[in-house]
Amino acid sequence: EAGVAQSPRYKIIEKRQSVAFWCNPISGHATLYWYQQILGQGPKLLIQFQNNGVVDDSQLPKDRFSAERLKGVDSTLKIQPAKLEDSAVYLCASSFGTGLPPLHFGNGTRLTVT
Amino acid sequence: GENVEQHPSTLSVQEGDSAVIKCTYSDSASNYFPWYKQELGKRPQLIIDIRSNVGEKKDQRIAVTLNKTAKHFSLHITETQPEDSAVYFCAASITGTASKLTFGTGTRLQVTL
Repeated sequence: EAGVAQSPRYKIIEKRQSVAFWCNPISGHATLYWYQQILGQGPKLLIQFQNNGVVDDSQLPKDRFSAERLKGVDSTLKIQPAKLEDSAVYLCASSFGTGLPPLHFGNGTRLTVT
Repeated sequence: GENVEQHPSTLSVQEGDSAVIKCTYSDSASNYFPWYKQELGKRPQLIIDIRSNVGEKKDQRIAVTLNKTAKHFSLHITETQPEDSAVYFCAASITGTASKLTFGTGTRLQVTL
C-alpha cells in the first residue's frame, strides 16, 4: 500500500514569513495527525483529525499555526508568521480507525527558519 | 498532562549483546505503550507495543516489559545487529489507542562490530 505522502521534504524560510505543508494519508485512514519533532526530541502532537473534524488541538499554537482537512482526506498545516523556534521536522501520520494503532508516519518536512 | 522520561539518551553496544532502554510515565491512567524506531532521515516506525493489561510482550529479538505499579516500561533487544542502530522512542497514551500519544526524548542506539 502507498504510504503517507508529505510535501515538501525541505523548506527554508525567513522569520515572519509564512509556510504551508501538505499531507495525504494512507487511503481509507480516517485519523490524521500532525506532529512537530524538534531536533533531539520526540515527536509532539500538534493536532489530530477524525475525518474532517478536529479531535485534539490542545498543543497547537493557534496564534500562528492552523490546519485543515476539509474533505476528510488530505490536510495542510500552515505557520504564519514563522519564528526561529519553529525550526523542526513536521511529521504527518495516519491510522485506520479512531486512534487505532499503528500510526503510519510520513517522511516529514524539515523546516528551517532563519 | 502526561510526561514520559526516557533513558539513556545514547547507548552503545557490541554486536550480539543485549540493549535495554527504559521509560517512566507520570499519568497512572496511561494504558497503551508503543515503541518506535527511527533511522536517520527516515520516518518513525512502530516496532512493538503493549497494553496495560499485559506485563510482557515478545516479538523475536524484541521484548517490552511493563510495571504499572512503578509506572515504567522497558524495551529489550537481544542479539543486537548493526541494522538495529537507530533512535528509539517510547510513548504513552491514556486513551488505549494511538490518540494523544506522548513521546519520550529518544535513545540513540549504536551497535558496533
